[in-house]
Order: sequence, then structure tokens, then C-alpha cells
Amino acid sequence: EIVLTQSPATLSLSPGERATLSCRASQHISNTFLAWYQQKLGQAPRLLIYAASTRATDIPDRFSGSGSGTDFTLTISRLEPEDFAVYYCQQYGSSPMYSFGQGTKLEIK
Amino acid sequence: QVQLVQSGADVKKPGSSVKVSCKASGGTLSSYSISWVRQAPGQGLEWMGRIILMFGVTDYAQKFQGRVTISADKSTTTAYMELSSLRSEDTAVYYCAREMSHYMDVWGKGTTVSVSS
Repeated sequence: EIVLTQSPATLSLSPGERATLSCRASQHISNTFLAWYQQKLGQAPRLLIYAASTRATDIPDRFSGSGSGTDFTLTISRLEPEDFAVYYCQQYGSSPMYSFGQGTKLEIK
Repeated sequence: QVQLVQSGADVKKPGSSVKVSCKASGGTLSSYSISWVRQAPGQGLEWMGRIILMFGVTDYAQKFQGRVTISADKSTTTAYMELSSLRSEDTAVYYCAREMSHYMDVWGKGTTVSVSS
């Protein structure tokens, strides 16, 4: 089973700052199989990035994904007030078929 | 743009079963798969299983094998997730989501299932 570990658990930043969120896999993952989601309180997750670096439809270009192998990163270049939420990485392919990291909470400093 | 409309919240007794529905609105799901993901209060996301709608083939997370049944009615473009032998730890929000290759691009709003005696 591939375990995804996200860090930090909580990230406190101010609007306008740059956010860097990490997702580390316990085994190698193909870039094709790594996605990122945003979840706001009381809402369903929203797809941000798939295939490690491809933005989903209507996702602003301040969101970017990078990485390969076991280390992946979600970067938000300049935080907007609506970006404060919980972020999850997700992998596909290893039993279980899908698994998620435990999440990084991005909070306003 | 397809939307996934889920059934309403439910309260169940321990040991009983719950069946949650997920209907496509504004489009078809026939060429996709539907996954079910749950989220316990204050916790992260947990994948339960999926159904490949075109073939009716299912895959389940080992944790839920034997307790979960995912099905679909192609004529009504509705998917279902039934979880049996409910216990308090199954209290969660249950989401359906459309699979696109190796990620989930459209999500339902979620169905809250509470298990309590």
C-alpha cells in the first residue's frame, strides 16, 4: 500500500504570500497518477491539479503542481482570501485503488 | 456540465444498512466510472470503491470488502452505495465522484449518514 504523507499539517500564511504544500509517497508514483484537491468547510472536494501538474478546468493559474517519483508539491503563488482551505493529494493505482494524504490545512495568519 | 445529485441525510441504527444514491444531472455517466469516498467528522478522505458504469464492474477497498455494495442503474444514470452492518465509526459524509482517468473531476455535495442507537 502506498502511503501519502502531507506536510505541513497546518500552514499559516497571509493573503498575498506564497504557499508551498508537500506530498510525499512511500513508493514511486507515476506523475500521471497524482492529483490535488481543495476542500472548503462544509463543501465537497474540488479537483485542482491532475497528472501532477495539469490544472483542472477553471482553476486559476496561481495554482501549480510539480514533482515526480515520491515528492510532489502544490504551490499557490499569491494567496487570495478564498484559497484558505484544506488541501489533499491523491494517488491512483496501488491497493487501495485510490488513496489520499491526510491533508494540509491552509489558514490565515 | 454534469452534476451529481445525492440523496438526503440519513440516520441509522447500529447493525442496519444504508443505501445512498447519486444521480447524474445535465449529462450522461455511461462512459465513466463512479467512485464513493467518505469523510468522518474532522477527518480526511477515504476511498471506498467504484463501479465502471459501462460494464457494471466494481472494485472495493479491502477495508470495506464484504460490507459495501456499489451498483448502478444505467437507464436512470444513478449509482448506489450500500453499506451494511453499520457501526458508529461509519458516521460520515459519503461522496460520489465521477472518475476521469486517474482522478475525480466532478463530485456530489455529499450525504451525511449518522449511526446512532
